Amino acid sequence: QQQVKQSPQSLIVQKGGIPIINCAYENTAFDYFPWYQQFPGKGPALLIAIRPDVSEKKEGRFTISFNKSAKQFSLHIMDSQPGDSATYFCAATSGNTPLVFGKGTRLSVIA
Amino acid sequence: NAGVTQTPKFRILKIGQSMTLQCAQDMNHNYMYWYRQDPGMGLKLIYYSVGAGITDKGEVPNGYNVSRSTTEDFPLRLELAAPSQTSVYFCASNRQGADGELFFGEGSRLTVL
Repeated sequence: QQQVKQSPQSLIVQKGGIPIINCAYENTAFDYFPWYQQFPGKGPALLIAIRPDVSEKKEGRFTISFNKSAKQFSLHIMDSQPGDSATYFCAATSGNTPLVFGKGTRLSVIA
Repeated sequence: NAGVTQTPKFRILKIGQSMTLQCAQDMNHNYMYWYRQDPGMGLKLIYYSVGAGITDKGEVPNGYNVSRSTTEDFPLRLELAAPSQTSVYFCASNRQGADGELFFGEGSRLTVL
């Protein structure tokens, strides 16, 4: 039972491009939607997060777009750089229940 | 401030052996978690704990056991290792009410042959 569906599984973009990673969920009780970034050999680290009372959140070059009616949210990376090459996970939780993660997207940004 | 520390980083086990993965955090977090990560499968929750003396099963608890005798430590025990337990294991922690902001260790890569 996959509670958070993430796509695509992998993504290759050129430097300066705008990769978009999408996630969808079913559980309407979810109220916190973080994205984690993981570099090879490291643990995931929180990148940016959003709550369903806003439709968009920006932090630097990273933007989350949230569509509550469609139960979807996405991560956009503006002006992508080779250093953004990593695996990205979306996740969701309600209150203090453990996070449920998507399957991850491996992003490669080529110069 | 070391954050979340996992040991060992790498281990090879034979089928049927047992071992314990250690996890310690120095952030005084109440909540601790064990996830396993398999290629293309994301992070799956094995067990979690909301405080010393309290543990609960996650999505994939079979073949594992945990204990939480202190706030700082949350070891994961593998009994009778099987090839299906070959994975990268991550320990994580957060404070109560953190709404999902997890702090992860660097992982323990386990191979069962």
